[in-house]
Amino acid sequence: QKEVEQNSGPLSVPEGAIASLNCTYSDRGSQSFFWYRQYSGKSPELIMSIYSNGDKEDGRFTAQLNKASQYVSLLIRDSQPSDSATYLCAAHAGAQKLVFGQGTRLTINP
Amino acid sequence: EAQVTQNPRYLITVTGKKLTVTCSQNMNHEYMSWYRQDPGLGLRQIYYSMNVEVTDKGDVPEGYKVSRKEKRNFPLILESPSPNQTSLYFCASNLFAGANVLTFGAGSRLTVL
Repeated sequence: QKEVEQNSGPLSVPEGAIASLNCTYSDRGSQSFFWYRQYSGKSPELIMSIYSNGDKEDGRFTAQLNKASQYVSLLIRDSQPSDSATYLCAAHAGAQKLVFGQGTRLTINP
Repeated sequence: EAQVTQNPRYLITVTGKKLTVTCSQNMNHEYMSWYRQDPGLGLRQIYYSMNVEVTDKGDVPEGYKVSRKEKRNFPLILESPSPNQTSLYFCASNLFAGANVLTFGAGSRLTVL
């Protein structure tokens, strides 16, 4: 069973601070990784994708990938209350599907 | 507007009463899939379809059926629902399997009594 593991949280971060979300995966063959954000009662939406080792930045979001350690992370700088949501890490397991972690619930405190 | 539409959004039913959750996308996507989301378990794939008449099992297919007779539609069928199928269900589509952005429907919350 190919797995993606996340700390379910909740993770509480003060407004303006950096939120750090982490994810590990078991399938060394995975090449593509994604972070989805899911607001309560809503469907997941893609916020970041990463394919190569290193960092990828998009606005306040930075995704980091370390394939040797099978580790993916998401940093959110200058956290805002609107960032409060559950963040789902996902990895491609072959071409046919994404395997999702259980999600980390993030709360930004004003 | 490009979207994935699921119906019904909410449903309460009883054990054994067959039901169908419809899913339709207007983006001409080849790939469609069904997930269920349960607390602490994240999103788990039920079935997926690479194209018309091509479907395959995901991680948790037991108790479900699907069909893909048209490119835009991918209904999820529960022939004899049981309480352990109480869950939040999401349909999703992608341009093709392995493409970047999975577009999700709004979700269907199903309760089986």
